[in-house]
Amino acid sequence: DTAVSQTPKYLVTQMGNDKSIKCEQNLGHDTMYWYKQDSKKFLKIMFSYNNKELIINETVPNRFSPKSPDKAHLNLHINSLELGDSAVYFCASSPRTSGFYNEQFFGPGTRLTVL
Amino acid sequence: KQEVTQIPAALSVPEGENLVLNCSFTDSAIYNLQWFRQDPGKGLTSLLLIQSSQREQTSGRLNASLDKSSGRSTLYIAASQPGDSATYLCAAREPVGGGADGLTFGKGTHLIIQP
Repeated sequence: DTAVSQTPKYLVTQMGNDKSIKCEQNLGHDTMYWYKQDSKKFLKIMFSYNNKELIINETVPNRFSPKSPDKAHLNLHINSLELGDSAVYFCASSPRTSGFYNEQFFGPGTRLTVL
Repeated sequence: KQEVTQIPAALSVPEGENLVLNCSFTDSAIYNLQWFRQDPGKGLTSLLLIQSSQREQTSGRLNASLDKSSGRSTLYIAASQPGDSATYLCAAREPVGGGADGLTFGKGTHLIIQP
């Protein structure tokens, strides 16, 4: 299936731990994103990554770091997890045609619970 | 800073009714506007994408309009069905700095279609 996939679907961990969420897209897109959906269901962009250029939302703590081993993957690594990091994290991707912005396609989300 | 507002926050109507969901945005310098559907505990499903140069898009029983000058978009759902029950999100795609772009989301309209 062509899609954006994320693993794991659920992640429960203790405060202070380091964890990673993986994202893969097989759509051939050149731009990938991470979004956070908080407990009030509000979605906000965290990162935009395109051709090795990373743009960070200034409100994102530096404990969060995206890593892209190749064009099809953008993994999210989180250091020293805090209670407030509990949320659903969505990966998305989009093709970029010069001068034209296409749909963003979203993964199924990873529900992170920090205890 | 872009703000996207969706009205109403929640809506419950009998099956068969036509309905309109509203979305407004404060900064008209957007690339496009995308409507999504989110079912409980699930990811985002893209419904319609309207480019900034377009006025409307249609897909089946759904019609989305865009008035960039007034900062408004509407999603029209014809002949509503219980299966349409979900949270509907609108998102404006815009520059986020450094040549990158991202989606700024509204908080959604929680729609319930009563059988």
